[in-house]
Amino acid sequence: LAKTTQPISMDSYEGQEVNITCSHNNIATNDYITWYQQFPSQGPRFIIQGYKTKVTNEVASLFIPADRKSSTLSLPRVSLSDTAVYYCLVGSRSSNDYKLSFGAGTTVTVRA
Amino acid sequence: GAGVSQSPSNKVTEKGKDVELRCDPISGHTALYWYRQSLGQGLEFLIYFQGNSAPDKSGLPSDRFSAERTGGSVSTLTIQRTQQEDSAVYLCASSLAAAVITNEQFFGPGTRLTVL
Repeated sequence: LAKTTQPISMDSYEGQEVNITCSHNNIATNDYITWYQQFPSQGPRFIIQGYKTKVTNEVASLFIPADRKSSTLSLPRVSLSDTAVYYCLVGSRSSNDYKLSFGAGTTVTVRA
Repeated sequence: GAGVSQSPSNKVTEKGKDVELRCDPISGHTALYWYRQSLGQGLEFLIYFQGNSAPDKSGLPSDRFSAERTGGSVSTLTIQRTQQEDSAVYLCASSLAAAVITNEQFFGPGTRLTVL
């Protein structure tokens, strides 16, 4: 799996937009970018996945530039309940790539 | 059930004892995974099941660790002669199949193991 680099932590306030950028310089042509969210004392939860340009769902948006060497997870108008660890993963969607490789992630703390 | 369940939620044991951790995957999910997460760390892959077979046991830390899955459903992770370094949260996940559109894995809440 391609190595990823993301900030250790980020602080924000309720109602603000939080943008977490992940670097993946050696991403392969058939790799996708996936983000998971982990609340304290829970297992990780899939948030969003993308290949290029922009993907949006009810939880977040994912922006991927043309060179795909980085990606940005955008959380709109965060609330206290968005406090969690966010993991960026890069890998292909194949049966040989099932080992999810989580780094330390980005701890996002939302304050009132 | 609605999601992946694991039991027990917490387990405290003494060094040298054996422990069994249980995982009930989402009904219909053929792939099952075990991970370990130490405090403040990312997840460490342990083992993967497709049906009842485990094609990849490469992540098991030592021969004290073993896992089985029966009936294509419930899985048990066994740690023999536990050591203090085995203390961690053990997470189980399942997915529809190893090769799915998103490779989305659904995680259980984990079992927190403390070895005294």
